[in-house]
Amino acid sequence: GIQVEQSPPDLILQEGANSTLRCNFSDSVNNLQWFHQNPWGQLINLFYIPSGTKQNGRLSATTVATERYSLLYISSSQTTDSGVYFCAVGRGSTLGRLYFGRGTQLTVWP
Amino acid sequence: GAVVSQHPSRVICKSGTSVKIECRSLDFQATTMFWYRQFPKQSLMLMATSNEGSKATYEQGVEKDKFLINHASLTLSTLTVTSAHPEDSSFYICSAREGGSPGGYGYTFGSGTRLTVV
Repeated sequence: GIQVEQSPPDLILQEGANSTLRCNFSDSVNNLQWFHQNPWGQLINLFYIPSGTKQNGRLSATTVATERYSLLYISSSQTTDSGVYFCAVGRGSTLGRLYFGRGTQLTVWP
Repeated sequence: GAVVSQHPSRVICKSGTSVKIECRSLDFQATTMFWYRQFPKQSLMLMATSNEGSKATYEQGVEKDKFLINHASLTLSTLTVTSAHPEDSSFYICSAREGGSPGGYGYTFGSGTRLTVV
């Protein structure tokens, strides 16, 4: 399978700070997603980004597929950003599974 | 956007009983759905791939007879935990992908089911 490494494992910020989360993967992929898991367990799809750069409000993501990494940027952090951020990758046909990283636990203090 | 509905969200059952979890794609057809299991403060582990009209494909180490998967239609997959034991207590999540061709769409996840076996 594909190995997915996320860093840092834990991140503690004060409200208003910016942060960068990283995802490295071990093989070529044609699917990469960033998820936010809220305290109730729901996985919220933040970005579908197998390559390139996307922005959505205070969040943006960049994937450099040739170098096998992706970055998630969070600007002006809010307490509601707290939770676990997962990177997941996949490859092959539409029936392909997703391989998840271990996640980054983000805590934003007021 | 695509929506996946998962029920129940929380269930408590006695040891030895069976529990069924439903996963529905509400506004799209999913020939394939995926079932994951998540332990506290851990990542998601794929248990099985559910294929409409055929047998599920289980990951190594997952007991087929304990975790029964049925994908009866293009919008419904069910996971039945049979003869549940306390060690089966976990958070179970399903997912599906809209569309029949690569690219353009990611996977959408259900809201998860927290199973507690007492």
